[in-house]
Amino acid sequence: QVQLVQSGAEVKKPGASVKVSCKASGYTFTSYYMHWVRQAPGQGLEWMGRIDPSGGSTTYAQRLQGRVTMTRDTSTSTVYMELSSLRSEDTAVYYCARDHSSSFYYWGQGTLVTVSS
Amino acid sequence: SYELTQPPSVSVSPGQTARITCSGDALPKKYAYWYQQKSGQAPVLVIYEDNKRPSGIPERFSGSSSGTKATLTISGAQVEDEADYYCYSTDSSGRGVFGGGTKLTVL
Repeated sequence: QVQLVQSGAEVKKPGASVKVSCKASGYTFTSYYMHWVRQAPGQGLEWMGRIDPSGGSTTYAQRLQGRVTMTRDTSTSTVYMELSSLRSEDTAVYYCARDHSSSFYYWGQGTLVTVSS
Repeated sequence: SYELTQPPSVSVSPGQTARITCSGDALPKKYAYWYQQKSGQAPVLVIYEDNKRPSGIPERFSGSSSGTKATLTISGAQVEDEADYYCYSTDSSGRGVFGGGTKLTVL
């Protein structure tokens, strides 16, 4: 069965960077795009971007361009999302979600990133 | 940047039909997807490609799209359907976008 297992919660100071991982299993890793979605406390869902695990190409949300980097390691079936220059507004639960014809049927369990001085 | 607009809240009594709308300029050319999110949980896909229902989703959930508006309909809403609902689509460059979300109250 498809599983997406994310890394644990993080606490970071403003200005720092955070790197969240998402390890996939139960399917052919390179066959499906992976997306990242975040949700600030009490707020809605925000699409952050996606990566093609096959070739590594990425598409990012315009408002995060320049601060977000998505990478993958095909040897471990893991995708990574790194967000730099963190500010308090980046405090959120970060999800990875596997694409299937633009549907997100499979989601990771979420990773809470807290940005606080 | 591209936006999808949803009403902040919808309220119905149990057994009534709930309709949640999502407006976006690109919807005539792009599919709409709908997600249900209950408190503290990851979102769950309830409708894909405007009107298709994934396996395991009750038949009372249906979707439609016409022009710049997509609609999620819950026929005979039940108390357990109370949740936040988000529409999702993509813009012309393939970037994703979620609507602001609609809180459905069933009481």
